[in-house]
Amino acid sequence: DADVTQTPRNRITKTGKRIMLECSQTKGHDRMYWYRQDPGLGLRLIYYSFDVKDINKGEISDGYSVSRQAQAKFSLSLESAIPNQTALYFCATSELAGVTGETQYFGPGTRLLVL
Amino acid sequence: RKEVEQDPGPFNVPEGATVAFNCTYSNSASQSFFWYRQDCRKEPKLLMSVYSSGNEDGRFTAQLNRASQYISLLIRDSKLSDSATYLCVVNDGTGTASKLTFGTGTRLQVTL
Repeated sequence: DADVTQTPRNRITKTGKRIMLECSQTKGHDRMYWYRQDPGLGLRLIYYSFDVKDINKGEISDGYSVSRQAQAKFSLSLESAIPNQTALYFCATSELAGVTGETQYFGPGTRLLVL
Repeated sequence: RKEVEQDPGPFNVPEGATVAFNCTYSNSASQSFFWYRQDCRKEPKLLMSVYSSGNEDGRFTAQLNRASQYISLLIRDSKLSDSATYLCVVNDGTGTASKLTFGTGTRLQVTL
């Protein structure tokens, strides 16, 4: 079984709809992240959480919200979807590794199309 | 200037060739560096970390030049299965300040 799972894998929605993307992990990591990937722009950080009580905005948090329901679960919500939120969304996890940096482990991605 | 810059490619090389990618970063205080590999429509996966002394993993060699603020990835004896996008990743902090910045990737296509 995959260590980091995302649901749904693909979603088509309409402008103005609320949508939730879910992420679960079995790696036991405290840190979880949400990114979006757009062609030519690379991966951009939306929100991140270093533990259940910690939520932080990334570089592009406007229009998004998150919930860390448990160590293993981190959800991303689009309260009112708009077409420029069409993208590939990745969840990732990591554990603190000190000065050597940390490896992030990614889920398979959710492909979202907002019409 | 982008925080992490890569040539998007594509680099089209024949099987067996040696190919090198460079990546520059803007934050001189960056702490650690990585190369990730991303196959089409798949998630990024860690290929290798990049250490100050350079490191090698089979056909792959990574180098770091802090003075010039760039890292490189060398792939020897390219295989068809090496075709992918290679992401340069920089960690700007340690501990609670840790933050990864991803380059946009360099696409490699290995052909027969």
